[in-house]
Amino acid sequence: GIQVEQSPPDLILQEGANSTLRCNFSDSVNNLQWFHQNPWGQLINLFYIPSGTKQNGRLSATTVATERYSLLYISSSQTTDSGVYFCAVEGYGNKLVFGAGTILRVKS
Amino acid sequence: EAGVTQFPSHSVIEKGQTVTLRCDPISGHDNLYWYRRVMGKEIKFLLHFVKESKQDESGMPNNRFLAERTGGTYSTLKVQPAELEDSGVYFCASSRGPRTYEQYFGPGTRLTVT
Repeated sequence: GIQVEQSPPDLILQEGANSTLRCNFSDSVNNLQWFHQNPWGQLINLFYIPSGTKQNGRLSATTVATERYSLLYISSSQTTDSGVYFCAVEGYGNKLVFGAGTILRVKS
Repeated sequence: EAGVTQFPSHSVIEKGQTVTLRCDPISGHDNLYWYRRVMGKEIKFLLHFVKESKQDESGMPNNRFLAERTGGTYSTLKVQPAELEDSGVYFCASSRGPRTYEQYFGPGTRLTVT
């Protein structure tokens, strides 16, 4: 089945810093989503981005489907950005396959 | 529009007991999915409903898990009997269609088996 790798596994930032999270996947995908799991365990949809670039406030994402990777940019990070960021892809079949996540800690 | 809702938010049961988790998808979403994250591991797919029919249940770990979706509306996931390794967070998601459609996740049910 499709493999999803996220990097880095852990990231510590000072408040106000920028960061880039990466998601590599092993095959063609029909769907790619980025999620933020907050400290209460809830999965918050950030982007649905099988290809192209999208922006939402301080967050933006780019997926280059032909090269099988996606990037999530966080600018001017805030302590509320802390949590786990997951990339998930849907290849063949209708199920999402999740990466292991990137644990982000933003210090004030 | 209301999001995906799950009940309960947290359940603590003893090994051998039965627990039933409930998921209410977004209205109009025919596709409903169950996923779970057990301690220290990745979020894994369990099964997929299209309306009331099971489309794919390849991720169900064993026959202690039973999922239903009565009338194509809400879904339940029953664990009977629960084992220690079933502890984790169970997520439900729904989408308007299969493939190429965004999946929206509920807040999850944290299951603790003691």
